[in-house]
Amino acid sequence: NFMLTQPHSVSEFPGKTVIISCTGSGGSIASNYVQWYQWRPGSAPTTMIFDNNQRPSGVPDRFSGSIDSSSNSASLIISGLKTEDEADYYCQSYDDSNHMIFGGGTKLTVL
Amino acid sequence: EVQLVQSGAEVRKPGESLKISCKGSGYTFSNFWIAWVRQVPGKGLEWMGIIDPSDSDTRYSPSFRGQVSISVDKSINTAFLQLRSLKSSDTGIYYCSRLRPPIWASGSDYWGQGTLVTVAS
Repeated sequence: NFMLTQPHSVSEFPGKTVIISCTGSGGSIASNYVQWYQWRPGSAPTTMIFDNNQRPSGVPDRFSGSIDSSSNSASLIISGLKTEDEADYYCQSYDDSNHMIFGGGTKLTVL
Repeated sequence: EVQLVQSGAEVRKPGESLKISCKGSGYTFSNFWIAWVRQVPGKGLEWMGIIDPSDSDTRYSPSFRGQVSISVDKSINTAFLQLRSLKSSDTGIYYCSRLRPPIWASGSDYWGQGTLVTVAS
């Protein structure tokens, strides 16, 4: 079964760049699009990246996404970190049976 | 403005059932599938199923088939998630989301605020 694995947590200082990885196993990360969602306590989740690297309107261009087939992973890159970026981030894709799957989530701490 | 507004928090006893709702506004409700996702402490996010509001075509995650029912009333732009024979392990937050087309390729673009379900005796 295709699975997505994320680091449990990452931390960085304001103004810096952080990269959150999402590594696929049991299949190719490039087979389906990857999405990234932001989960802040007390707020509705927000889609930050869709279709690997597309940014919804309203999402700052500090957020970007990429896919690396050689490492079978997707990445969410957040540049110019702000304290408001502190949240949980989840990657999401689909397996070969058209089941929606999620990574385990990464807690981003802005130091 | 696209919005998905879910019903409020619920408390149930083990063995009871529950139906939560998700009302869409700001777009043509029938044009986008709705997904239901569960967040349980310690288990991350779990996809439960999806429904096409235009014809009620429904697909369930194997993990939840038989335990939940997803339905829709397009006359009131609302999707529903019915949970049956609740267990304490069903305690968590349930989210609805709107799926970008095509389904099985892209993901969710808008989310509800979540409904906290607590199952306790």
